[in-house]
Amino acid sequence: DTEVTQTPKHLVMGMTNKKSLKCEQHMGHRAMYWYKQKAKKPPELMFVYSYEKLSINESVPSRFSPECPNSSLLNLHLHALQPEDSALYLCASSHLAGGGPYQETQYFGPGTRLLVL
Amino acid sequence: ILNVEQSPQSLHVQEGDSTNFTCSFPSSNFYALHWYRWETAKSPEALFVMTLNGDEKKKGRISATLNTKEGYSYLYIKGSQPEDSATYLCARIRSGSARQLTFGSGTQLTVLP
Repeated sequence: DTEVTQTPKHLVMGMTNKKSLKCEQHMGHRAMYWYKQKAKKPPELMFVYSYEKLSINESVPSRFSPECPNSSLLNLHLHALQPEDSALYLCASSHLAGGGPYQETQYFGPGTRLLVL
Repeated sequence: ILNVEQSPQSLHVQEGDSTNFTCSFPSSNFYALHWYRWETAKSPEALFVMTLNGDEKKKGRISATLNTKEGYSYLYIKGSQPEDSATYLCARIRSGSARQLTFGSGTQLTVLP
């Protein structure tokens, strides 16, 4: 099973709402990632978790709050978002390889398309 | 080259044609280059992870080469089929100890039947 699942597929929220995106994998991967992709742009890394601990935060605004409750699950909590946060949010995971992290293949989910009104 | 650049931005080919496109990246501090295939409304699919200068990798009709000294990688598709229509993304690893991928903008391939 090389599948990363993401829910919901689509989400519409107002600027005062609180919502969460969910990502799940059952491949035993211990690194998980959140990326953001705006239209016509490449995916941009937001957060990296290694062994359920936040290892990289790419200076993401605090209105995005990641959480990794266990090794299979990654959440992204959203609060007080702005319309410019509308984007496709991709989750990915990778196996922590002994040969070096740069050789790890990242497996992506299909994304959650978020619209902030 | 300061970042990851891909060319062309889009490409239309006839079924059966072979095609190739380019990923350019900074040649200094190279660690790895990843290639992904991304069909609309699906998950990006990993194709190759390339780490050594001169690497050549193959998966079915798709192959890739890597030149780290001059900072480029080519992706080749032999005998394109309509199901090859997708966006092909390359991504560079920023440092040897981390997992941060910097993506190019992709090449959108359309194979016409």
